[in-house]
Amino acid sequence: QAVVTQEPSLTVSPGGTVTLTCGSSTGAVTSGHYPYWFQQKPGQAPTTLIYNTNNRHSWTPARFSGSLLGGKAALTLSGAQPEDEAEYHCFLSLGGPWVFGGGTKLTVL
Amino acid sequence: QVQLQESGPGLVEPSQTLSLTCTVSGDSINSGDYHWSWIRQPAGKGLEYIGRIHTSGSTNYNPSLQSRVTISRDTSKNQFSLRLSSVTDADTAVYYCVKMCCGLWGQGTLVTVSS
Repeated sequence: QAVVTQEPSLTVSPGGTVTLTCGSSTGAVTSGHYPYWFQQKPGQAPTTLIYNTNNRHSWTPARFSGSLLGGKAALTLSGAQPEDEAEYHCFLSLGGPWVFGGGTKLTVL
Repeated sequence: QVQLQESGPGLVEPSQTLSLTCTVSGDSINSGDYHWSWIRQPAGKGLEYIGRIHTSGSTNYNPSLQSRVTISRDTSKNQFSLRLSSVTDADTAVYYCVKMCCGLWGQGTLVTVSS
């Protein structure tokens, strides 16, 4: 089964910008993999931030954006806030099953 | 407002079958072109895709679980269900039902496999 990779952890300063990535062992990630991004805080269910590469839900803060970057899906947070400290998960649709990455622990410090 | 709610036993004995139901309110599980999914998360670990059922009734499963998983639906009750057979402690997790397209998640239910 394909493996989806994410950075295990990242740190960003308050007000700063950080990019999280989501890669596939099968090759370059494209829009045809319908990348999704989720935010999860401790003890809570995940919240979907981005779907189909770069689409925000109505509840997604504008400081979060999705894209494709260097053969990977990317989630960019511009102007980090303390409340953005969380685990971020991605998933890709790889020709059938959906595969999640291992998650990125984002620290705002 | 669309809501998804998982229900089922919180404790399952090893080698038995885990059964969960997701009750959907405010939406119809057999309308449109959508997938209704089961996702799980062991404590302290990442999310794992279990499988999904389309509004047409077709299903897709995680290959690593496929031999043990069945996802079905009861359209009269607007529910879809998960059955996972021959469980071990590795199946202990929080189980979520999800309408992925639309960012709709249930609150999750913890299932512990233990004797």
